[in-house]
Amino acid sequence: DTGVSQDPRHKITKRGQNVTFRCDPISEHNRLYWYRQTLGQGPEFLTYFQNEAQLEKSRLLSDRFSAERPKGSFSTLEIQRTEQGDSAMYLCASSPHWNSGANVLTFGAGSRLTVL
Amino acid sequence: RKEVEQDPGPFNVPEGATVAFNCTYSNSASQSFFWYRQDCRKEPKLLMSVYSSGNEDGRFTAQLNRASQYISLLIRDSKLSDSATYLCVVNWRYGGSQGNLIFGKGTKLSVKP
Repeated sequence: DTGVSQDPRHKITKRGQNVTFRCDPISEHNRLYWYRQTLGQGPEFLTYFQNEAQLEKSRLLSDRFSAERPKGSFSTLEIQRTEQGDSAMYLCASSPHWNSGANVLTFGAGSRLTVL
Repeated sequence: RKEVEQDPGPFNVPEGATVAFNCTYSNSASQSFFWYRQDCRKEPKLLMSVYSSGNEDGRFTAQLNRASQYISLLIRDSKLSDSATYLCVVNWRYGGSQGNLIFGKGTKLSVKP
């Protein structure tokens, strides 16, 4: 499978717990994005990486959220002290660095988080 | 004004109908525009890019009006399989930023037999 993989697909946790999601992008893609989507809304940008560098981070991303891409391959998104409002689908996407393809995103199937 | 704005719909149309969606964006420095399609409980997938001169892909036609900052998508001869949410996507550039992609909330289309 050469698509974008996300793990876990579903996570149920209690408020206050920490959760971590992993994303494995398409291997030749340099850029990796994290989005969050709630019911009836479009994907909301969280952050993106070019190789291992985190180039942008949404103002909406609180200090409880952190993302890493240490070797420029897979990425993790950690949410600390989860709140019920964090319940959402967390989508990862990747794209090539080359100019005409840089903005064409391939999404993974997402990691659905439910905070009780 | 919201960054990327779309009519949420739903648009309920019969098979064979022609339907058009519009999207407006607020960042005049935006340079890249796309339509993505999202089926229920699935991830978004690229439908088509939107070029300044307008472009067509089969039954789908996309237009860009930079002066008015809006994008449109026209679907002709709609099929049942076109039922989905259509997301307008704009590359968001500011300052020296390379930009990221901002999604609208989507327009829901339901094609009925």
